[in-house]
Amino acid sequence: DAGVIQSPRHEVTEMGQEVTLRCKPISGHNSLFWYRQTMMRGLELLIYFNNNVPIDDSGMPEDRFSAKMPNASFSTLKIQPSEPRDSAVYFCASSSHDRAGNTIYFGEGSWLTVV
Amino acid sequence: AQTVTQSQPEMSVQEAETVTLSCTYDTSESDYYLFWYKQPPSRQMILVIRQEAYKQQNATENRFSVNFQKAAKSFSLKISDSQLGDAAMYFCAFNRIQGAQKLVFGQGTRLTINP
Repeated sequence: DAGVIQSPRHEVTEMGQEVTLRCKPISGHNSLFWYRQTMMRGLELLIYFNNNVPIDDSGMPEDRFSAKMPNASFSTLKIQPSEPRDSAVYFCASSSHDRAGNTIYFGEGSWLTVV
Repeated sequence: AQTVTQSQPEMSVQEAETVTLSCTYDTSESDYYLFWYKQPPSRQMILVIRQEAYKQQNATENRFSVNFQKAAKSFSLKISDSQLGDAAMYFCAFNRIQGAQKLVFGQGTRLTINP
C-alpha cells in the first residue's frame, strides 16, 4: 500500500505569498493530522480531522493558517500570507481508529522556507 | 492532559553495542498506545515499535525492544547491536485509544553511533 503522500516536498517562497501544502492519506484511514516541526518548538499538532471533519484545530497558529479536507483522500494546509517564521517542516499523517490500529503514519514532510 | 518526557537530549554508543533511550509519560487513562519513532536526517518520521498498554509483554521488533513499566509510566527503547544506520532522532509518543486521537511527542533524543 502507498503511504501518506505529501506535496510539494520542498518549497521556497517569498514573504506575503500564499502557500498550499497537499496531502493524500493512506487509503482506508479515517483520521488525518497536520503537524509542524521546528527546532524551537519541536513537533506540534496543528489540526486533526476525523472522517473529514475538523475535530481539534487548537494548534493552528493564527488566522493565516487554514486546513480543509474535502474528501477522504485529500487535504490541504494553506498559509496566507506566509511569513519567515512559518519556515518549518510540515507533516501530514493518517491513522485508522480501530483496536489494531491507532498507529499514526507520517508522510515524508513538506519543507517550507519563507524568505 | 498527557505529557511525554525524554530526559536525554543526546546519547552516543559504539557500533555493535547496546543502548537504551528513556521515556516517561503521564496520563490518567488506563488503556493507551505508546510508540517510538525514528527521524533520520531526511526528516521522515519512521515508526520503530508500538506497545499496547493492556499487554504485559514487552514489544520487540528485530534489534529493537522496549521495557514497558506501566505502574512507573516508563517506556524505554533498547537498541541491540547498534548500526550506523540507527543514527537519528528518536521520539517517544503517546496516543489514546478512546476519544480524540492525537500523538503527544516527547522532545526527542539524538542518537549518535560511533564507528
